[in-house]
Amino acid sequence: GQQLNQSPQSMFIQEGEDVSMNCTSSSIFNTWLWYKQDPGEGPVLLIALYKAGELTSNGRLTAQFGITRKDSFLNISASIPSDVGIYFCAGRGGGTSYGKLTFGQGTILTVHP
Amino acid sequence: NAGVTQTPKFQVLKTGQSMTLQCAQDMNHNSMYWYRQDPGMGLRLIYYSASEGTTDKGEVPNGYNVSRLNKREFSLRLESAAPSQTSVYFCASSEAPGGGDEQFFGPGTRLTVL
Repeated sequence: GQQLNQSPQSMFIQEGEDVSMNCTSSSIFNTWLWYKQDPGEGPVLLIALYKAGELTSNGRLTAQFGITRKDSFLNISASIPSDVGIYFCAGRGGGTSYGKLTFGQGTILTVHP
Repeated sequence: NAGVTQTPKFQVLKTGQSMTLQCAQDMNHNSMYWYRQDPGMGLRLIYYSASEGTTDKGEVPNGYNVSRLNKREFSLRLESAAPSQTSVYFCASSEAPGGGDEQFFGPGTRLTVL
């Protein structure tokens, strides 16, 4: 089946620093999504990418859909304490796998004030 | 709107016991999903329902059954719980199969099987 490798697994940063995380896949995806999960809550969508090469921003967050359609990255600029949580990438393919999301393992972000 | 609600929030079972996890959404979404989340594994799809009256297996369906009771409700049943089913279970819903722009997630049910 489709697999996503997300890295890094965890990050410990100081408030104000920039953060970068990425996902790579063995398969092509038609959509890339980035979610954030706060402790004790369900994931919430941050950014959705629908086209190879697309670069999309949402406030301090920027994400890109890789040209090969097998990777995506998420950047967070000027981190703040409330950025703490688990960040997941997710990909959606086409064909018989249409509709199903494949999730990465998650990146645990800790921000020290 | 409450969005996606799940009951119970926490549950402890003994091996071999059965239970049903309940999920409801009030967004008039067509599609609903059940995931499990384990440390270091991300979220894995157990079952999904693309529309009322249909259900399909996801990546890890063994040991589970589902019922799409109506458009609002999608339940997950463990007939004979095993310690390997200790996990956090999330229900999600979306406008259309695949989620359109977004799958909305519930707060999760934390299940421990002893």
